[in-house]
Amino acid sequence: KAGVTQTPRYLIKTRGQQVTLSCSPISGHRSVSWYQQTPGQGLQFLFEYFSETQRNKGNFPGRFSGRQFSNSRSEMNVSTLELGDSALYLCASSFAGALTDEQFFGPGTRLTVL
Amino acid sequence: GENVEQHPSTLSVQEGDSAVIKCTYSDSASNYFPWYKQELGKRPQLIIDIRSNVGEKKDQRIAVTLNKTAKHFSLHITETQPEDSAVYFCAASKGGAQKLVFGQGTRLTINP
Repeated sequence: KAGVTQTPRYLIKTRGQQVTLSCSPISGHRSVSWYQQTPGQGLQFLFEYFSETQRNKGNFPGRFSGRQFSNSRSEMNVSTLELGDSALYLCASSFAGALTDEQFFGPGTRLTVL
Repeated sequence: GENVEQHPSTLSVQEGDSAVIKCTYSDSASNYFPWYKQELGKRPQLIIDIRSNVGEKKDQRIAVTLNKTAKHFSLHITETQPEDSAVYFCAASKGGAQKLVFGQGTRLTINP
């Protein structure tokens, strides 16, 4: 099976712009979760999508949003970018049955905000 | 909400020795505890996980123990090898959710 893929791998934006990141899960996986990784805050959960619905949400401002399509692919959007949004954004997919399942991570999108 | 504390933040051991990383969690409802390994510039990868109905799980040189009463769990790596050098993250989740709360990570260095 192909692994989780993310595009683009690198992005450079300026403050105030918006950005859209994409994640393609492993075939058959229905859940996609997004995480922000920074040296100072570590790995922080942003949100999870399952069957095109946001099922869980972390403690991030409303500038961070996402969606999931019928083929389970997911996008994440950050509006009005701030310097502090510079981070590695990781998505993870899982089958998501009744129990918490192993999450498989993508390679991440490195976002730099100037 | 859930909080996961991980110690130590850095750990250096001689090749062949054992390494132990400890995590504590705050939410007694947490029932799934995975450990991820992240090598430099790479994605996190699951190395072992444990559910709350089990006290210990082992996979070759890696083992995880869980103490629900004390709300802590530990990763044990025996006979360490240079390729074990990486950052290790513990995490916790509850209620079948796919939301993982991560510890701050431990940078493990294996000295040859």
